[in-house]
Amino acid sequence: EAGVAQSPRYKIIEKRQSVAFWCNPISGHATLYWYQQILGQGPKLLIQFQNNGVVDDSQLPKDRFSAERLKGVDSTLKIQPAKLEDSAVYLCASSSGTGRRETQYFGPGTRLLVL
Amino acid sequence: AQSVAQPEDQVNVAEGNPLTVKCTYSVSGNPYLFWYVQYPNRGLQFLLKYITGDNLVKGSYGFEAEFNKSQTSFHLKKPSALVSDSALYFCAVRDVNTDKLIFGTGTRLQVFP
Repeated sequence: EAGVAQSPRYKIIEKRQSVAFWCNPISGHATLYWYQQILGQGPKLLIQFQNNGVVDDSQLPKDRFSAERLKGVDSTLKIQPAKLEDSAVYLCASSSGTGRRETQYFGPGTRLLVL
Repeated sequence: AQSVAQPEDQVNVAEGNPLTVKCTYSVSGNPYLFWYVQYPNRGLQFLLKYITGDNLVKGSYGFEAEFNKSQTSFHLKKPSALVSDSALYFCAVRDVNTDKLIFGTGTRLQVFP
């Protein structure tokens, strides 16, 4: 079974520019997550989708970050405008459900450097 | 608040020796615990999880973890380390109130030939 796909793998931008990341979850997985992983830290949840609806976006900096999952499959995460502190790895994960027993499967991540 | 702690930033072990990567948790209620591994420039790969049942959980690549309720620990173990096991290991706990996955800060495992 194919895993979670993400693109691009790397991105370098200047501050105040915009950037978008794409994620394609494991086929059939209804739940999709975006995490931010700053160097030296564990991943932190930004937003969680169940199908095409938002379940939790309490940690998403909504003044500059946005995410959508219009058809309940692929998702995009956008940052506009980017700040230096947004430099991190952005991980997408998916799971078949939302229960506590569910395992989340992660993609390879997009490494963002903001100069 | 639910949390996990990984007290060691780095663990060094010789190839062929047993390895242990430590994790302790703080949870109100029954814990749901996970271990993930991250190789350089790769995403997190699921190793194993504890939901209920046997305290010894077996996972991928020969890893296992022991759930100890009295010590609130969930240490990751492997009887014989390989150089290819060198990676960053994350312990995580499911927040019982929000169902979010809360990650530790990670432990870098270095296996020397």
